[in-house]
Amino acid sequence: IAGITQAPTSQILAAGRRMTLRCTQDMRHNAMYWYRQDLGLGLRLIHYSNTAGTTGKGEVPDGYSVSRANTDDFPLTLASAVPSQTSVYFCASSETSGGSDEQFFGPGTRLTVL
Amino acid sequence: GQNIDQPTEMTATEGAIVQINCTYQTSGFNGLFWYQQHAGEAPTFLSYNVLDGLEEKGRFSSFLSRSKGYSYLLLKELQMKDSASYLCAVRGGDYKLSFGAGTTVTVRA
Repeated sequence: IAGITQAPTSQILAAGRRMTLRCTQDMRHNAMYWYRQDLGLGLRLIHYSNTAGTTGKGEVPDGYSVSRANTDDFPLTLASAVPSQTSVYFCASSETSGGSDEQFFGPGTRLTVL
Repeated sequence: GQNIDQPTEMTATEGAIVQINCTYQTSGFNGLFWYQQHAGEAPTFLSYNVLDGLEEKGRFSSFLSRSKGYSYLLLKELQMKDSASYLCAVRGGDYKLSFGAGTTVTVRA
């Protein structure tokens, strides 16, 4: 693989269920991010990781958790899904969190919570 | 907090020029990015500005005025494939990116 991948592509989930969205990058980037994108609101940062072993909260972290056990993987977990978490989720990575380093985005996961 | 404003929609004719404005109010500033996002796809990087002035990259140019909290993305010689959403994003003092809601550009023949 080359770049950043996400799984699943789409998912319909019953409210109250637990769900993990997967994200893997092979660019050896230090920083990784999770965003949600909702119509009219743009991309909003959920959680981020500046380097393996560290994570931080973004703008909308409630109801979500992340882990960064290694450089390549950055899973996002919804412990108990609610309908307001219906959204398109994008994972992104960048070489570092500063300078001119652009973020590369995965293809996204479309999640519907019923 | 961050406040980033850009127009919701713009329409232009193939071959024309379109300018997408972005104004921002942020806690600290560490650069401004423009991304392109086609419908149903991931955002892709277009440009980065951290100093005042114009950055040109082929048909696309981006301008920044830090004192005015203002940027624009200029798309020249518009092509049908340029129909997409254009996202303005500011890296604040905490080094996190904050995105505007995006401007949907429709190119008509």
